[in-house]
Amino acid sequence: EPEVTQTPSHQVTQMGQEVILRCVPISNHLYFYWYRQILGQKVEFLVSFYNNEISEKSEIFDDQFSVERPDGSNFTLKIRSTKLEDSAMYFCASSGDRGPLYEQYFGPGTRLTVT
Amino acid sequence: QQPVQSPQAVILREGEDAVINCSSSKALYSVHWYRQKHGEAPVFLMILLKGGEQKGHDKISASFNEKKQQSSLYLTASQLSYSGTYFCGTEIQGAQKLVFGQGTRLTINP
Repeated sequence: EPEVTQTPSHQVTQMGQEVILRCVPISNHLYFYWYRQILGQKVEFLVSFYNNEISEKSEIFDDQFSVERPDGSNFTLKIRSTKLEDSAMYFCASSGDRGPLYEQYFGPGTRLTVT
Repeated sequence: QQPVQSPQAVILREGEDAVINCSSSKALYSVHWYRQKHGEAPVFLMILLKGGEQKGHDKISASFNEKKQQSSLYLTASQLSYSGTYFCGTEIQGAQKLVFGQGTRLTINP
């Protein structure tokens, strides 16, 4: 069964450093998303991406964040200068060609710890 | 804008039924239900589009009341494997994102 994969599974970084979180969505999917979940809290939308551009972004997704689909298979989230409050689980998701927001499939997540 | 889920937590014995509600103050286009087990990614359960439809598979079903902007998830004859946190994600038409509720933690005891 096709699945979304994410690397690394755990990333530890120092405050102020740049991190890149990587995702490989399901191969025939067209819509891509990043969410984050602070430990014990709800899943929060960060950004959606379609046709090589951002469709929607939340208030959390400020200038420190950027997304890219560099090679047609990977989908990355970059945080330019990490803060302590960026510590969270980051989930990538993708949905298929039936249109936006149908059955979003989540990857296993990357736990980001900022020290 | 965040949907409100109720209850926040439920503890059941195996075989009992549960209902989880998700309410929004905004007009919804669709409601998505996910289950998340501790330390894992959310897993898609079902999506309901506006129109008041009801869906289900196995012993888990859901309804969407468009007039009330409320969706309910029904778990009947619960199994141990149903334990986890259930999230509803709501979509407002035209918004390319899901907004999730705060979650309902379901614990099933033998």
